[in-house]
Amino acid sequence: GAVVSQHPSWVICKSGTSVKIECRSLDFQATTMFWYRQFPKQSLMLMATSNEGSKATYEQGVEKDKFLINHASLTLSTLTVTSAHPEDSSFYICSARDGWGVTDTQYFGPGTRLTVL
Amino acid sequence: DQQVKQNSPSLSVQEGRISILNCDYTNSMFDYFLWYKKYPAEGPTFLISISSIKDKNEDGRFTVFLNKSAKHLSLHIVPSQPGDSAVYFCAAAGATNKLIFGTGTLLAVQP
Repeated sequence: GAVVSQHPSWVICKSGTSVKIECRSLDFQATTMFWYRQFPKQSLMLMATSNEGSKATYEQGVEKDKFLINHASLTLSTLTVTSAHPEDSSFYICSARDGWGVTDTQYFGPGTRLTVL
Repeated sequence: DQQVKQNSPSLSVQEGRISILNCDYTNSMFDYFLWYKKYPAEGPTFLISISSIKDKNEDGRFTVFLNKSAKHLSLHIVPSQPGDSAVYFCAAAGATNKLIFGTGTLLAVQP
């Protein structure tokens, strides 16, 4: 099956710093990439949807100036958590889809554990 | 407002028996449903899906049933194997093409 990688797999940072997470589709071109966050024992919450070369579409309640998303190519999307605070500590997961419809399979990365001290 | 609910946080089943994981949804506009499986420290992997025009879809040991009137779907795994032990998420989608996930059910298959 298709592979999506994320880097780093975990990161610890100080409050106030910025953290960049990369998401790559390794063997296919991703028409659309998604960013989710997951708190312990909760569901995956969609943060934003990004299409290559265009601005990301953020879900209600997600601060676009805090969570910067760049979809630079058909195989790479980045999420930058700016001025991170302890409440941003979470598990961030990206997914990539080769196609425009919901019936096109989304392939998920392994996730990035962010801890903000 | 949790539109997709998995009311059982965990389920334990003996190897070889049937595992039944349940999922309820509230939005009648959802027309496509999926099940994902997740191992620790890995991302979810797609398992099986069903469109609202069907009430059953089968793939090997996995069968998903959809009851639209009850807004309920279930995943049956038979026979269950120890390697099936994982967290199972159901997800639903409608016209927005966005997946809405449930909270997950941890399945433990005992040898």
